[in-house]
Amino acid sequence: QVQLQESGPGLVEPSQTVSLTCTVSGASISSGGYYWNWIRQHPEKGLEWIGYISYSGSTYYNPSLRSRVTMSVDTSKNQFSLKLSSVTAADTALYFCAREILVSYYFDYWGQGTLVTVSS
Amino acid sequence: QSALTQPASVSGSPGQSITISCTGTSSDVGGYNSVSWYQQHPGKAPKVMIYDVRYRPSGVSNRFSGSKSGNTASLTISGLQAEDEADYYCSSYTSISTLEVVFGGGTKLTVL
Repeated sequence: QVQLQESGPGLVEPSQTVSLTCTVSGASISSGGYYWNWIRQHPEKGLEWIGYISYSGSTYYNPSLRSRVTMSVDTSKNQFSLKLSSVTAADTALYFCAREILVSYYFDYWGQGTLVTVSS
Repeated sequence: QSALTQPASVSGSPGQSITISCTGTSSDVGGYNSVSWYQQHPGKAPKVMIYDVRYRPSGVSNRFSGSKSGNTASLTISGLQAEDEADYYCSSYTSISTLEVVFGGGTKLTVL
């Protein structure tokens, strides 16, 4: 059974960088065939695609966030990560990691989400 | 403002059928057969119910069906059950800019 689990600091101060990690079990990132995505959900609002990374490290980001987003992958730990810089209150959201079958444009497995609150 | 437009809420009684619409443009819903639908219960992760407009992943009830006409996709749930009460989101591939996937704003389904 494929499982994804996000982890992160929970609370971040404005202007800082938040780092989130997604640990994958039941599937190997290095096997290829998938994109590993980050998606966020603002409180009481809809979903926003942030971007993805492949097993080889190729990335593709939402243009509205591109200047502040960096994704990385650690195949030895079967993890991938998101860094979002210069955060503001507008970045307060529930952050999900999710798997996408290559070029399918849908997400078949999701983590439970980790809440990031930006506040001083 | 979400890229795809969904009604904020729909409701139906047990056993009835309901349809949720998802309207986009020719750059997303209308131009590609990459529409998917997600069900999200409170405090839970979204779950894919339909992909590629009309296909159900293994394990999803056949009470859920998807279709598309022009720039509007639809999710139909037949034989409504209490457990279907949830938020539903549509998404689509988009050719706009370098954005890959866009989502609808979500529809709250209430089973009366």
